[in-house]
Order: sequence, then structure tokens, then C-alpha cells
Amino acid sequence: TQLLEQSPQFLSIQEGENLTVYCNSSSVFSSLQWYRQEPGEGPVLLVTVVTGGEVKKLKRLTFQFGDARKDSSLHITAAQPGDTGLYLCAGAANYGQNFVFGPGTRLSVLP
Amino acid sequence: DAGVTQSPTHLIKTRGQQVTLRCSPISGHKSVSWYQQVLGQGPQFIFQYYEKEERGRGNFPDRFSARQFPNYSSELNVNALLLGDSALYLCASSLLRGGGETQYFGPGTRLLVL
Repeated sequence: TQLLEQSPQFLSIQEGENLTVYCNSSSVFSSLQWYRQEPGEGPVLLVTVVTGGEVKKLKRLTFQFGDARKDSSLHITAAQPGDTGLYLCAGAANYGQNFVFGPGTRLSVLP
Repeated sequence: DAGVTQSPTHLIKTRGQQVTLRCSPISGHKSVSWYQQVLGQGPQFIFQYYEKEERGRGNFPDRFSARQFPNYSSELNVNALLLGDSALYLCASSLLRGGGETQYFGPGTRLLVL
């Protein structure tokens, strides 16, 4: 069973600051996804990474997949209150298998 | 097009009762997956259905069952409810079979068992 750990568990920062959250596992994943979930809603997919070392950018968000495909990071530049939410990573060991979710990082960006 | 819809939005039950949750996938999507999200944790996979057949099952007891209808909508049933079944139940649809496919989540049904 693949297990995903996320750190930090909670993060509270001021608007304009930069931050990085991490997703780690002892297992290798064929693909890894990042989601953001807001209160009362389901998770919304932000990005999927499939290649070791891959870096993807989505506006102020930068996602990196580790070279060994066991870990990933999400960096947010100049955080805004609208970035507040639960950030979840999810990995699939092989294509066609279901994704396993981590426990999430709860981010609060204060104005 | 409408996104994934789930009903009801909220539900309160007592221990021992049975509950049925419903999900309508995005039009054209043939795969539906169910997840349980306990407060403070990430979603845990319960079932995946594709073309009306069960394609995956997570580590949940037999009290949990599901089915998919010809129109690809789905129901999740939970029997003999326990206090620990209190959670947000999420449905996700994808165009093809899950795994690497992009999943689109509904808003969830929040179940409280008293």
C-alpha cells in the first residue's frame, strides 16, 4: 500500500509571502496529482506530473516531481487570500490504478 | 455542461440505519469513483465503476456497496451505520477508466451519524 505524507500539516502566512509544501512517499509513482479543496467543495485538480524531474508552472504555482518519482513539491509565489485551501497530493503506482491521497496541507493566507 | 452532481448535500442518520448517496457524472463520462473524506484527512478510495462494472475496491467493509446505472449515474449504499462513518462522501467522474485519467469531483455529501 502506497502512503503519501504531506508537510507541513498547517501553514498560515501573510499575503505576498512565498511558500513551499511537500509530498513524500517511499513508493514510486507513475503519476502524481495536486488538488486544491475549498470548504464545502470537492477537490479541484491543479496539475498532473508524470516524468521524474518534471517542472510545471500554473501562474504563481510551480510544481516539481522528484527525479525518483517518490516526492513532489508545490511552490506558491506571492500568495494571495484566494490561495487559501486544503492542498492534496495524490499518486498512482501504475496507469489504470486508482490514486492514493495524502492527508493534505491546510493553507491560510491572511490579507 | 453541468459538473458532477451529488445528492443529498447533507444527511443526518443514527447508528444502525442505512443510507443511499447518489451521483451523476459529467455528461459523457463513463467512470465513477467514490471516496470517503474524514475531517482532517485526504479522500480514501472506496469504489470505482466503469461501464456499470466494479473495477476497483478500497479497504472498506462489506457494509459499503455501490452500483452504476445504464446512464452512468451511481449510488453508494452504507448499511448498519457506525459513528465512524461520519464523513464527506465524494464522487468523481472521468471519461475513461480511472488511474491516470483526470477525475472531476462533485461537492460531496456530508453524512453525520449520531
